[in-house]
Amino acid sequence: AQKVTQTQTSISVVEKTTVTMDCVYETRDSSYFLFWYKQTASGEIVFLIRQDSYKKENATVGHYSLNFQKPKSSIGLIITATQIEDSAVYFCAMRNDSGYNKLTFGKGTVLLVSP
Amino acid sequence: GPKVLQIPSHQIIDMGQMVTLNCDPVSNHLYFYWYKQILGQQMEFLVNFYNGKVMEKSKLFKDQFSVERPDGSYFTLKIQPTALEDSAVYFCASSSGSGNTLYFGEGSRLIVV
Repeated sequence: AQKVTQTQTSISVVEKTTVTMDCVYETRDSSYFLFWYKQTASGEIVFLIRQDSYKKENATVGHYSLNFQKPKSSIGLIITATQIEDSAVYFCAMRNDSGYNKLTFGKGTVLLVSP
Repeated sequence: GPKVLQIPSHQIIDMGQMVTLNCDPVSNHLYFYWYKQILGQQMEFLVNFYNGKVMEKSKLFKDQFSVERPDGSYFTLKIQPTALEDSAVYFCASSSGSGNTLYFGEGSRLIVV
C-alpha cells in the first residue's frame, strides 16, 4: 500500500523568504506521480505542481519548485519569495501508474507567512 | 485554473436521513471523484467514476453511499441513511483523463446530528 508522510506539522516564516516543506513516500511501483496541493483558509484545494517519477528534472511552476530525490523517496516543495497569501495547509499526494487517479495524501503542513 | 463547483457548501442533517451532494465538474472532464476529509486530517479517497460506472472505491465507501451522473448533469454522492461518522467535508474532483491532474471543488461540509 502507498503511504505519504509529512513530518512538519507547521512552519512559520517571514514574507519574501524561501521555505521548504518535506514529504516522503512509500510505494512498490516503479512508476508513480507526485503532487502538491494547498488548502486555503476557505477550504479550497488548489493544485500547485506535479512530478512524474520517470522525469529526472525537478518540476518548477512560478515560485513553486520541487526537490525530487528518488533514491530517498522524497519530494520536497520549495516556495521562493513567500507572500502572506501563501499561508495555507500544504498537502503532498501520490498515485501509482495504474488505477484511476486514486490519490494518497499526507496529513499536511501548515504554513504561516507573516509580515 | 479549472473550476469544480459543489452544492451545497454546508448541510446539517438528522441521522438516518438521506443527503445528496452535488458536483458540477470541469466541462470537458470525463473522470469524477469523491474524497472525504474529517476535520483537521488529510483527504481520503472514496470513489472514482467514469463512463457511467464506478471504477474503483475504497473501504470508506460504505453500502449506504452511491454515486451517479444522470444524463451528463451533476455528479452526485448520495448517502442513505446517514450516520454520525459521515460528518466530514466531501470534496468532488474531476480530471480530463485517468492519469491527468485532479481539480477539486471547494467541498461540501456535512454535519450529521
